[in-house]
Amino acid sequence: DVKVTQSSRYLVKRTGEKVFLECVQDMDHENMFWYRQDPGLGLRLIYFSYDVKMKEKGDIPEGYSVSREKKERFSLILESASTNQTSMYLCASRDDRYSSYEQYFGPGTRLTVT
Amino acid sequence: AQSVAQPEDQVNVAEGNPLTVKCTYSVSGNPYLFWYVQYPNRGLQFLLKYITGDNLVKGSYGFEAEFNKSQTSFHLKKPSALVSDSALYFCAVRDRYGNNRLAFGKGNQVVVIP
Repeated sequence: DVKVTQSSRYLVKRTGEKVFLECVQDMDHENMFWYRQDPGLGLRLIYFSYDVKMKEKGDIPEGYSVSREKKERFSLILESASTNQTSMYLCASRDDRYSSYEQYFGPGTRLTVT
Repeated sequence: AQSVAQPEDQVNVAEGNPLTVKCTYSVSGNPYLFWYVQYPNRGLQFLLKYITGDNLVKGSYGFEAEFNKSQTSFHLKKPSALVSDSALYFCAVRDRYGNNRLAFGKGNQVVVIP
C-alpha cells in the first residue's frame, strides 16, 4: 500500500512565523502535490513537483514556497504565516508510469495561525 | 483549463435507499475522472476512476460511477446507502494529455439517515 505521511496533524503558529510542513511518500512516486482545503472551496492546488528540484505553481501559490531535495520528500513553506493561511493542508503523490493515475493523499495538517 | 461542478452542497438519503452524487466536468480533450471520499479529520481516499474502456466503473465499498461523454457527467452511485457512507465526496478531472493537474469539485456532504 502507498503511504503518504505528513509531519503534523495539528499545528498552531503565530502571525509572521516561518512554517514548514513536511510530506513523505514511500512508493518512489515522481509527482507530489500540496493542496489547501477550505469549506465550500474544495481543494485548491498550491504547488506541485514532477521531479526532484522541479516545481510548478498551482492556482494559489502566493505566500507559499516549496522544496523537493529528495524524491520522497516534498516540503511546503509559509514564509511569513498570516491568519488567512489557517486551513487544512493536504499532500498527495502520484505515479503515472504504470497507468495508475490516481493520487494518494496524506492525512492532512490542520494549521491554525493566530 | 479543466473544471468540475458538483451542484449540490449536501445530499440526504435514508439508509437502504439508492445514493447518487452528481458531477459534471469540463476539459479540452478526453478526461481522466476520479471520485474520492473524505471522512472527518482524514485525508482523501480514492474510490474509483475512469481512464478508458467500459463507461460503468466499479470501485470500493460498493460504489460505482458512469461516464457519460455526451452529458460530460460522471455521477457516483450506490444501490443501498449505509450510515457509514456519511462523508464528504469529491469528484476530480484531469486532461488526458499534457496537463499534470487534477481539478477538484467543491465536494458534496452526504448524510445517510438511519
